[in-house]
Amino acid sequence: DTAVSQTPKYLVTQMGNDKSIKCEQNLGHDTMYWYKQDSKKFLKIMFSYNNKELIINETVPNRFSPKSPDKAHLNLHINSLELGDSAVYFCASSDPGQGRYEQYFGPGTRLTVT
Amino acid sequence: GNSVTQMEGPVTLSEEAFLTINCTYTATGYPSLFWYVQYPGEGLQLLLKATKADDKGSNKGFEATYRKETTSFHLEKGSVQVSDSAVYFCALGYSNYQLIWGAGTKLIIKP
Repeated sequence: DTAVSQTPKYLVTQMGNDKSIKCEQNLGHDTMYWYKQDSKKFLKIMFSYNNKELIINETVPNRFSPKSPDKAHLNLHINSLELGDSAVYFCASSDPGQGRYEQYFGPGTRLTVT
Repeated sequence: GNSVTQMEGPVTLSEEAFLTINCTYTATGYPSLFWYVQYPGEGLQLLLKATKADDKGSNKGFEATYRKETTSFHLEKGSVQVSDSAVYFCALGYSNYQLIWGAGTKLIIKP
């Protein structure tokens, strides 16, 4: 039973295209996240949703738009893809009630823009 | 503000060597502290955690102790294996919705 799953695992596309990455968690968590990991493994938070409400929206180009249809799903849509968007994107979830701050990660989506 | 500093990698060791990866933090209040591990091509996995001063987290032979006096949470293992080769992240949790991450330390274990 996969706790946090993402699709697709690999995504290769050309500049200017629009693409989406989907994320689902079956942990019953209220909070979900999107991270970007660059080639040096640095992790950057992009967005966070709590019960379908956007609570963290870091400085990210507005070409990136998250959507949370319900608290178990958080999708990421990217418009007009650029070379610099190439990275690994991770979805994560957490249950921060009672001070439990740890996050659980999906396997990642490796996006390559050519 | 809150921050996490990890030792730079890569750290290269021989099998069965003793491992220490340093992590220090700056925080107000009483954060929780975490170590995550990322194996090649995979997502991050929670390795261990500590939620208050003097707590020791442990898992898979790895240990880290929450030292408030030195604001540190160093990761240690007595005898590393080739399978421990990965990137290790130290993180600080201080609010319900965000972790503060270190830059990651790549560990390479040679047979």
